[in-house]
Amino acid sequence: QKEVEQNSGPLSVPEGAIASLNCTYSDRGSQSFFWYRQYSGKSPELIMFIYSNGDKEDGRFTAQLNKASQYVSLLIRDSQPSDSATYLCAVPSSGTYKYIFGTGTRLKVLA
Amino acid sequence: EPEVTQTPSHQVTQMGQEVILRCVPISNHLYFYWYRQILGQKVEFLVSFYNNEISEKSEIFDDQFSVERPDGSNFTLKIRSTKLEDSAMYFCASREGQGGANEKLFFGSGTQLSVL
Repeated sequence: QKEVEQNSGPLSVPEGAIASLNCTYSDRGSQSFFWYRQYSGKSPELIMFIYSNGDKEDGRFTAQLNKASQYVSLLIRDSQPSDSATYLCAVPSSGTYKYIFGTGTRLKVLA
Repeated sequence: EPEVTQTPSHQVTQMGQEVILRCVPISNHLYFYWYRQILGQKVEFLVSFYNNEISEKSEIFDDQFSVERPDGSNFTLKIRSTKLEDSAMYFCASREGQGGANEKLFFGSGTQLSVL
């Protein structure tokens, strides 16, 4: 059974700090990795994707991928109260069509 | 910006009734999905659809469920005889293709289904 694991949190950080969210996956064949933000009662919103080892930056967000360790992370710099949400890690399962989602990490940014 | 649209946003039904959830995927996308999320739980895969047929389905997607793409734009999920445990938020999603950025999966705003 292919798995995507995340710490459910909540992760609390003060406003302006860096929030670090982590995700591990079991499928060594997975090639691309996605981070979604989900506000309560809303749909997942794609914020980052990465498919090469290393870092990828987009504004205040940086995704980091280490395929050898089967680990992908999301850093949010200068965290704002509006970043308070659940962050979902999603991994397309190799050899299939489906994307497997982690349980999500709830982030609270304290003003 | 193109988006996945879903209707209705809320659906209340009696146990045993049939419901149809509707979706219009992004127009140049080729792969279509239904996911669901029970309150407080993870986003769960139900079914994927490609080239006018089901490409994969989960154990949840039993004979009570069906999907259809009746024309070039709509993608529907039918639940034939709803159960209490079908109460969830149902998300439609689509992606453009295979490989790299084409695999970005975009979600609609969801249909909250309540079975009484």
